[in-house]
Amino acid sequence: KQEVTQIPAALSVPEGENLVLNCSFTDSAIYNLQWFRQDPGKGLTSLLLIQSSQREQTSGRLNASLDKSSGRSTLYIAASQPGDSATYLCAVEETGANNLFFGTGTRLTVIP
Amino acid sequence: NAGVMQNPRHLVRRRGQEARLRCSPMKGHSHVYWYRQLPEEGLKFMVYLQKENIIDESGMPKERFSAEFPKEGPSILRIQQVVRGDSAAYFCASSGLAGFNEQYFGPGTRLTVT
Repeated sequence: KQEVTQIPAALSVPEGENLVLNCSFTDSAIYNLQWFRQDPGKGLTSLLLIQSSQREQTSGRLNASLDKSSGRSTLYIAASQPGDSATYLCAVEETGANNLFFGTGTRLTVIP
Repeated sequence: NAGVMQNPRHLVRRRGQEARLRCSPMKGHSHVYWYRQLPEEGLKFMVYLQKENIIDESGMPKERFSAEFPKEGPSILRIQQVVRGDSAAYFCASSGLAGFNEQYFGPGTRLTVT
């Protein structure tokens, strides 16, 4: 059964720092991997989607990498801002499955 | 182009009552997914539906929970005889093609059972 783990569970950094969030998954037979942002009491906003054949995706200050064979993904956030404070969720879609498997998230706080 | 819409956003029910959660997918999307987020836990898949069909309900509790996606109108997640353990955020997502495409999430319905 697919299990998705995110480390650390919480992270606090001063504004301007670059940071890395980690995601690991147990079954490498995935179709894609998505990173989401969730603000308190709100829904999920998709940040980046990496297909299994890709190694990375970039959007603005965000860069996500995928190493399918080792079951790992990282989300790199450059020059963090207080507005980046949120919970970041990693989710994988298995090949042939109909749903996403989510990690429990990393709660990020960027201190002004 | 409106995104995925869910209503109500907040729902309070007493134990034993029924809860009905609605989801309108993005325009042009015919695939709907329901997920549940229990307090301090990750999102867990419940059910995947296409118009008038339940495709995968492997994540649905065996009793009291049901889902539908009629030909016309929103998808409905129905919880009968709610218990305190049903208190959670319920999220709906939609996609445009078979489940291999990016899922777009709604804002969720927060159910509180008193």
